[in-house]
Amino acid sequence: SAVISQKPSRDICQRGTSLTIQCQVDSQVTMMFWYRQQPGQSLTLIATANQGSEATYESGFVIDKFPISRPNLTFSTLTVSNMSPEDSSIYLCSVWTDGYGYTFGSGTRLTVV
Amino acid sequence: KNEVEQSPQNLTAQEGEFITINCSYSVGISALHWLQQHPGGGIVSLFMLSSGKKKHGRLIATINIQEKHSSLHITASHPRDSAVYICAVKRAGNQFYFGTGTSLTVIP
Repeated sequence: SAVISQKPSRDICQRGTSLTIQCQVDSQVTMMFWYRQQPGQSLTLIATANQGSEATYESGFVIDKFPISRPNLTFSTLTVSNMSPEDSSIYLCSVWTDGYGYTFGSGTRLTVV
Repeated sequence: KNEVEQSPQNLTAQEGEFITINCSYSVGISALHWLQQHPGGGIVSLFMLSSGKKKHGRLIATINIQEKHSSLHITASHPRDSAVYICAVKRAGNQFYFGTGTSLTVIP
C-alpha cells in the first residue's frame, strides 16, 4: 500500500485567512482525493485531484474556496480560503490503488476562530 | 437516500462479545472497503472485498454481491476495538460512496 505524509496535523487559524494542507505520497498514484469530515459526521468528498489539470469538485464545493494543486503523481495541496468557523473540520487526503484500496493521510484538524 | 447504508449507527458491547456491523448498498460496485477510524482521526484500511470472505485476526468481513450486502464481524471484542467503522464502495468509473459510519464502544 502507499504511505501518505499529510501536513500540518492540526492548526488554529483566524477567520478570513487561508490554510494550505499538503499530502506527499511515497509512490505514484493516479487517483487522489480530498475529504472533509465535520464533527460527528462521516467523510464528504471535496474533490478529486487530477495530475496536470483542474480538480474535479463535488456538488457544494468550489475552486475559489478550496483550490487544489496536483503538480505530479505523488503530491497535492488543498487550500481552505477565506476561512470561517464553519470550515472547522478534519481534512483528509487519500489515494486509491487497485488491489489494495484506500490509504488515508493522518488528517489535518482545523479550528477556525 | 444514501447509496450506502450502515447499521447500527451506534453500538455498545461488553468486552468479549461477538459484534456484527452491516452495510447495504444500492449500486453496482467493483469493490467494497471496510475502514476503521479511531478517536484521534486517523483512518486505517481493514479490508477490501469484491467477493466472498476475508479474515484478519479477530476481524472477518463478508460480502454478498447478489444481495448488495456486506458484514464486518469482530470476535472476542476488546476495548481497543472502540472506533468508528466505515463502509465504502467503489463503482466502475471511479465513483466512490461512503456510509455514515458505525460508532462502536466496547466496555471492559
